Amino acid sequence: EVQLLESGGGLVQPGGSLRLSCAASGFTFSDYAMSWVRQARGKGLEWVSGIGAGGERLYGDSVKGRFTVSRDNSKNTLYLQMDGLRADDTALYYCAKGFCGSDICYWATDHWGQGTLLTVSS
Amino acid sequence: EIVLTQSPGTLSLSPGERATLSCRASQSVSYNYLAWYQQKRGQAPRLLIYGASSRATGIPDRFSGSGSGTDFTLTISRLEPEDFAVYYCQQHGNSPYTFGQGTKLEI
Repeated sequence: EVQLLESGGGLVQPGGSLRLSCAASGFTFSDYAMSWVRQARGKGLEWVSGIGAGGERLYGDSVKGRFTVSRDNSKNTLYLQMDGLRADDTALYYCAKGFCGSDICYWATDHWGQGTLLTVSS
Repeated sequence: EIVLTQSPGTLSLSPGERATLSCRASQSVSYNYLAWYQQKRGQAPRLLIYGASSRATGIPDRFSGSGSGTDFTLTISRLEPEDFAVYYCQQHGNSPYTFGQGTKLEI
């Protein structure tokens, strides 16, 4: 069974830093693209960042230059280093797994964790 | 980045009826890589459709996706009580892989 468990959220002051983690199990982690998606309370989904199976790193416009995504395939763990945090970064952050069909892999996500909450406030 | 606009914002229907949700892109979606997700209150999203028309594993066949280029549709043929939720489209063809703002399907 695929499991994704996010951790590392909390309360941070504006301008501060935090690192989120996502521990994956139940699949061959290194074979799949992984994404971070966030959702502010009562709002819609926002794709934040992703990292491909080959290590390609991608970012949404609102976080580019402030957030860094990485993965440790030996630990089956996805990370999101967040620097220069702002109030509008406050959200529930989901870790999500890409998937592969018979001959192609997708950035659409077929499994999601339950999220970790980040609050940026003074 | 590609902007996705979903309509309507809220759709009020009854069980047994047919639901048609729209997602329009600001530019053509590469390879028609358009996904649909369902999100219920307090839960993570669930993938329904990818590549515009392919159903994800375990998704009932009352859910279908169609469209190409900039215009896409999610159809739920006969609404069940558990289908009342918020639905999001996402383009997964070009980074950043943007989402639409959502359509709330309510009774």
